[in-house]
Amino acid sequence: GDSVTQMEGPVTLSEEAFLTINCTYTATGYPSLFWYVQYPGEGLQLLLKATKADDKGSNKGFEATYRKETTSFHLEKGSVQVSDSAVYFCALRRSGNQFYFGTGTSLTVIP
Amino acid sequence: NAGVTQTPKFRILKIGQSMTLQCTQDMNHNYMYWYRQDPGMGLKLIYYSVGAGITDKGEVPNGYNVSRSTTEDFPLRLELAAPSQTSVYFCASSSGQGRELNTEAFFGQGTRLTVV
Repeated sequence: GDSVTQMEGPVTLSEEAFLTINCTYTATGYPSLFWYVQYPGEGLQLLLKATKADDKGSNKGFEATYRKETTSFHLEKGSVQVSDSAVYFCALRRSGNQFYFGTGTSLTVIP
Repeated sequence: NAGVTQTPKFRILKIGQSMTLQCTQDMNHNYMYWYRQDPGMGLKLIYYSVGAGITDKGEVPNGYNVSRSTTEDFPLRLELAAPSQTSVYFCASSSGQGRELNTEAFFGQGTRLTVV
């Protein structure tokens, strides 16, 4: 069945460090891929998405590229800020039905 | 544009009590979902609906019931609250037809439920 495997946390980085959170997926066909962010006490917000192979999603300095050959959608940011501290979820959706979420990666950025 | 609205935001229940968590969306989405998120954990799907009158079980449906009488509303019912149901509950909606077959889900702000 469909599934998402996400890098486990927690991750602690210093401000301005480079961020990578790994995400790989299992799915037949051509799913859409998403990264969501959850700030403390809030719901999930869409951070970025990609709907086909080789698409790059980007938002707020974050980027992720849909790699079908490696079934991956790794999240990257060149220089993190304290305000990026949150939990990040990778997700996929195929054929209109359910979403499949990773277990989430907690990021803490220290000044 | 309100998006997905959940009420209440917080609730404390005693064991054995019942309650309904309300969820409404104003985006005319046909898909709606209920998830629970336990502390430090990911999301677990409780129930989902692909349209008015149609619901289906997710990963953890025991102890819950849902109904979908309109496109907008998707309430979640807890009949006999148990401490294991202490969690944060999220409602979400998405489109799912035609060119919007695999678009993103929109989430509410959550209901924090404690059963004592």
